[in-house]
Amino acid sequence: GQNIDQPTEMTATEGAIVQINCTYQTSGFNGLFWYQQHAGEAPTFLSYNVLDGLEEKGRFSSFLSRSKGYSYLLLKELQMKDSASYLCAGMDSNYQLIWGAGTKLIIKP
Amino acid sequence: GAVVSQHPSWVICKSGTSVKIECRSLDFQATTMFWYRQFPKQSLMLMATSNEGSKATYEQGVEKDKFLINHASLTLSTLTVTSAHPEDSSFYICSARGTSETNEQYFGPGTRLTVT
Repeated sequence: GQNIDQPTEMTATEGAIVQINCTYQTSGFNGLFWYQQHAGEAPTFLSYNVLDGLEEKGRFSSFLSRSKGYSYLLLKELQMKDSASYLCAGMDSNYQLIWGAGTKLIIKP
Repeated sequence: GAVVSQHPSWVICKSGTSVKIECRSLDFQATTMFWYRQFPKQSLMLMATSNEGSKATYEQGVEKDKFLINHASLTLSTLTVTSAHPEDSSFYICSARGTSETNEQYFGPGTRLTVT
């Protein structure tokens, strides 16, 4: 079966760094997506990885290891506005997104 | 970037009535549109996938006669919740996929439906 696992909740301090892990099992693989979702709003795209390695985009970076079925989202210099849910989604061979349950990130001052 | 709009952004209706939600891709042609439902503090749940000009593919457990999806053009898909009940109250989100290399889905802002 297809499955995405990520932690339910994480807490971090403003200004610090946090890494949100995601493991995936999909039927075929066409990439791994990370989305950010603030409460009451729709998800917004953060990153896409289809090859192994680290993709850096400002304060956010995303890493992929296809052999391990593993990805992480790294958030640096955390700001209070980064408090949100972070959704990991794997794209299967039919280009269908398989969604994780999301990781609620709580930022404390 | 690609923009997807949804209308209405929120709606309150009485039990037994029908509600139509529109999803439009504003600056690109969406070959595929997706309809999701999200209950409070839960993740996105895919309801159905629709390709322009063909019937929608519904996920297991989603009643196709209750949730009518029409994808009449490359920029418009509609979801009609028929004979709505309070348990249908939820956040409905559409997304659209164009032809980019990343196959990224662009999300609409969502529609909050409350059935009284």
